[in-house]
Amino acid sequence: NAGVTQTPKFQVLKTGQSMTLQCAQDMNHNSMYWYRQDPGMGLRLIYYSASEGTTDKGEVPNGYNVSRLNKREFSLRLESAAPSQTSVYFCASSVGGTGSNQPQHFGDGTRLSIL
Amino acid sequence: AQKITQTQPGMFVQEKEAVTLDCTYDTSDQSYGLFWYKQPSSGEMIFLIYQGSYDEQNATEGRYSLNFQKARKSANLVISASQLGDSAMYFCAMREGALLLYNQGGKLIFGQGTELSVKP
Repeated sequence: NAGVTQTPKFQVLKTGQSMTLQCAQDMNHNSMYWYRQDPGMGLRLIYYSASEGTTDKGEVPNGYNVSRLNKREFSLRLESAAPSQTSVYFCASSVGGTGSNQPQHFGDGTRLSIL
Repeated sequence: AQKITQTQPGMFVQEKEAVTLDCTYDTSDQSYGLFWYKQPSSGEMIFLIYQGSYDEQNATEGRYSLNFQKARKSANLVISASQLGDSAMYFCAMREGALLLYNQGGKLIFGQGTELSVKP
């Protein structure tokens, strides 16, 4: 079972470049999320999509944009990458709605370095 | 504001012994959920166990149990009979939202994690 698939797994960018991180889930989940994980810290929410057609800011949204392309796919875009955005990015999905005891399922992460 | 605190940056435990990883939380909501995730050195996030704020019994999943003390706002993870494969980072997380309405999505707030090392 694929679960949550993220692409790419690794990426090196130069300051000012743009790129889009892709995420797809095959579990028919309603909600999808983007987190970043910095050394010595837990995951912090960047953006989330509670259901298809909606997106909302999380704790650290500055410098990012998202698109919920359809129920399966949720992409994260860096318009002008900065060294402070060097991090590991995780996409996650969950049932959402009234499934309060259902966990979020995570992808394997994208390791992004910005020089 | 909701907050998760894990005060143990690193822990050591002898193989086959039990270990408790601490987690305290702060919320004004009456309805919330608490999760534990494991992150091995390979980097993936693995769901371990869930405790709802209205659950009267402590959650258990195999060798994992959650010592839930609501009045103290703590949700400690207990791993019994530690194995070498348990060496990893462990994160406590809380689901925000007093009521899980359809459009709230169930965002998680994570603690900083505890690195567990199991000694042979």
